[in-house]
Amino acid sequence: EDQVTQSPEALRLQEGESSSLNCSYTVSGLRGLFWYRQDPGKGPEFLFTLYSAGEEKEKERLKATLTKKESFLHITAPKPEDSATYLCAVQAGGDSSYKLIFGSGTRLLVRP
Amino acid sequence: GAVVSQHPSWVICKSGTSVKIECRSLDFQATTMFWYRQFPKQSLMLMATSNEGSKATYEQGVEKDKFLINHASLTLSTLTVTSAHPEDSSFYICSASGGGLAGETQYFGPGTRLLVL
Repeated sequence: EDQVTQSPEALRLQEGESSSLNCSYTVSGLRGLFWYRQDPGKGPEFLFTLYSAGEEKEKERLKATLTKKESFLHITAPKPEDSATYLCAVQAGGDSSYKLIFGSGTRLLVRP
Repeated sequence: GAVVSQHPSWVICKSGTSVKIECRSLDFQATTMFWYRQFPKQSLMLMATSNEGSKATYEQGVEKDKFLINHASLTLSTLTVTSAHPEDSSFYICSASGGGLAGETQYFGPGTRLLVL
């Protein structure tokens, strides 16, 4: 069964304190792994798509990496405005519907 | 680019009435649209997948007759909650993707909060 597990469930950081969020996945043929950011009461905002092991993508203070079993979202010198829930999702290669399988998310709080 | 809108952003209705939520892709053609619901502090739960001009595919446990989905054009999908009851109160979010051979990114709307009294 395709599955996505995110850890930790919640993370509190001091402003400037770098850390990583983990996304472990089990999927029958990975078509793509996606990272989204969701603020309270809003829809998810697209951050990154990763397709193959070894791939890395960066955007401002965020960097996403991918291995055959997991993905990491590294946050360098975070600011309070980075506080949000970060969602990881995968698309299975054998599924023609392109639907996403979501993890439960990591709630990040960055204190000033 | 890749902007998805939803209307309304919130709605309050009486039990037994029907509510329609619109999802539009503003700057791209959406081959596929998805409808999710989200409960407080939980992740997104996929309700159904719709392709333009085709019947929607519903996830297991989602009532087709209660949640009517229409994807009439490449930029518009609608979700109608029929005979709404308090347990249908939730945050409904749509997403849209342009289709293709590679892993396709879904772009999400801002969500619609439904409260059924």
